[in-house]
Amino acid sequence: QVQLVESGGGLVKPGGSLRLSCEASGFTFSDYYMSWIRQAPGKGLEWISYISTRGTAKYYADSVKGRFSISRDDSKNLLILQMNSLRAEDTAVYYCARAQIYDKWGQGILVTVSS
Amino acid sequence: QSVLTQPPSASGTPGQRVTISCSGSSSNIGSNIVNWYQQLPGTAPKLLIFGNHQRPSGIPERFSGSKSGTSASLAISGLQSEDEADYYCASWDESLKGVLFGGGTKLTVL
Repeated sequence: QVQLVESGGGLVKPGGSLRLSCEASGFTFSDYYMSWIRQAPGKGLEWISYISTRGTAKYYADSVKGRFSISRDDSKNLLILQMNSLRAEDTAVYYCARAQIYDKWGQGILVTVSS
Repeated sequence: QSVLTQPPSASGTPGQRVTISCSGSSSNIGSNIVNWYQQLPGTAPKLLIFGNHQRPSGIPERFSGSKSGTSASLAISGLQSEDEADYYCASWDESLKGVLFGGGTKLTVL
């Protein structure tokens, strides 16, 4: 069955960096666009980025543009989110999801930005 | 502030029919499909409706979606206690070049 498993979350100080990974299994990863979506504590869903097949197109929400970078390694079925210059407002559960209808989601990973 | 507007809350009694609205603009709902997601407490969102009105396999027929112009709706008939959850609409936005989620609607089954 389709599985998406995020890793790499944790506590980081403001201004710091973190690299999230999402390992995919149960489907042909290279055939799908993939995306990252986050949810701040007690808040709604916020789409932050997606990447096309072969990584030829990448889109970002304004809130993370210039600080976050999405990439993929199709040989390892991995989706990556490199997060730099982290702010307190980036504190959230981060989900990877299979685009473009977001039919499969990971369980989420918590990122806490605090001093 | 979300550009897709949903009511923050909705409620109904078991067996009732409830609808949740999602209002957008010509740059999102007006020119792209709408998907709906259900998020039970403490869990990841689940796809409920895609392509405005299509149900993934395993989603009961009592969940239905529709779209007209720049608005969309999710209807839940035969309301059950396990339907108590947060519901989100989503659509691609041509101006932002990104996906927009609605602010979410918390459904309470009384």
